[in-house]
Amino acid sequence: GNSVTQMEGPVTLSEEAFLTINCTYTATGYPSLFWYVQYPGEGLQLLLKATKADDKGSNKGFEATYRKETTSFHLEKGSVQVSDSAVYFCALSGHSGYSTLTFGKGTMLLVSP
Amino acid sequence: SQTIHQWPATLVQPVGSPLSLECTVEGTSNPNLYWYRQAAGRGLQLLFYSVGIGQISSEVPQNLSASRPQDRQFILSSKKLLLSDSGFYLCAGSGAESSYNEQFFGPGTRLTVL
Repeated sequence: GNSVTQMEGPVTLSEEAFLTINCTYTATGYPSLFWYVQYPGEGLQLLLKATKADDKGSNKGFEATYRKETTSFHLEKGSVQVSDSAVYFCALSGHSGYSTLTFGKGTMLLVSP
Repeated sequence: SQTIHQWPATLVQPVGSPLSLECTVEGTSNPNLYWYRQAAGRGLQLLFYSVGIGQISSEVPQNLSASRPQDRQFILSSKKLLLSDSGFYLCAGSGAESSYNEQFFGPGTRLTVL
């Protein structure tokens, strides 16, 4: 079956530091890949996505590249801000009309001033 | 744009009491709808999903049930709550606009069972 593995957190960084959150997946076929962000006490928001190999998703300074050869979708940001503190979830979805998302366990990011 | 509404935002219930959480969706027709639970410090667990009115698939056998009486309404219920039902409940939807692959989430309901 499908699975997503994320690095364990929390990840603690100072403001303006470089961020990488690792995500690898196991899936049959050609899944779509997603990063969601959850701010404290809120629901999940889609941060970025990629639907095929070598696609790069980007949003709000975050980027992730769909690497089929390494089955990875690592999240990166060049300079984090305190407001980026949140839990980040990597997820995958198969290509079907009944597709459900498979989520990683989430990685908490804490950015200090 | 697609929007999920959930209520209530927070709920404190005694063990053994019933539960009804409601979710409605706007901005898309014929959506797939999902209920997730997020326990403290843990990831998301898919509880139920629905591809249409009256069609419910259960991912995890448990004390909860779901119903979809209308195309844009999804209800999570329990006849008797357990302590282990405490958690953060998220409703999500997906629509034809994204080939049903991309899900958008509601704000969540935090349930505490005492």
